Amino acid sequence: GQSLEQPSEVTAVEGAIVQINCTYQTSGFYGLSWYQQHDGGAPTFLSYNALDGLEETGRFSSFLSRSDSYGYLLLQELQMKDSASYFCAVRDQAGGGNKLTFGTGTQLKVEL
Amino acid sequence: ETGVTQTPRHLVMGMTNKKSLKCEQHLGHNAMYWYKQSAKKPLELMFVYSLEERVENNSVPSRFSPECPNSSHLFLHLHTLQPEDSALYLCASSQDRQAYEQYFGPGTRLTVT
Repeated sequence: GQSLEQPSEVTAVEGAIVQINCTYQTSGFYGLSWYQQHDGGAPTFLSYNALDGLEETGRFSSFLSRSDSYGYLLLQELQMKDSASYFCAVRDQAGGGNKLTFGTGTQLKVEL
Repeated sequence: ETGVTQTPRHLVMGMTNKKSLKCEQHLGHNAMYWYKQSAKKPLELMFVYSLEERVENNSVPSRFSPECPNSSHLFLHLHTLQPEDSALYLCASSQDRQAYEQYFGPGTRLTVT
């Protein structure tokens, strides 16, 4: 079956760098996505990795290692507004369809 | 604003009520989705529509009934729900089923009493 693991909570100070890890087990893997969700808000797309390596988008970067079934989201120069939940999601062929399966989310708290 | 709207934002209903959730996307997308988000649990995919045809039903109880009258609108009809159905119901859309980026609405917070 499919499973994704990510830490439930991470706390960091403003201006710091934080890494949120995600490990997964799935079949027919296509890629790994990251979404951000503020309290009371809609999940919003951050990044997608289909190939091994690091993808950088401004202060956020995402990494994938297909051989290790592992990825991470790296947030640099943390700001208070980055306090939110971050979800990794695998895109795969599980269940015969092409769909996203989400992790339980990591609550990031940014402190002064 | 993601281009996906949902109404109502909050809903309280009794177990014998019938209500409907509405989702509308203004992005010209061809695929739409219903997800359930409960506390401390991952987003659970409920239904997938592609070009107005239901292509996936993830073992969802029949008390949840989706409807997609056109590519811009998606409904979730609710009847005889249980308290454990209380959750945030999120609608999403994507360019097509193969697109990796999904655009989510703000959700409907449902409480079943």
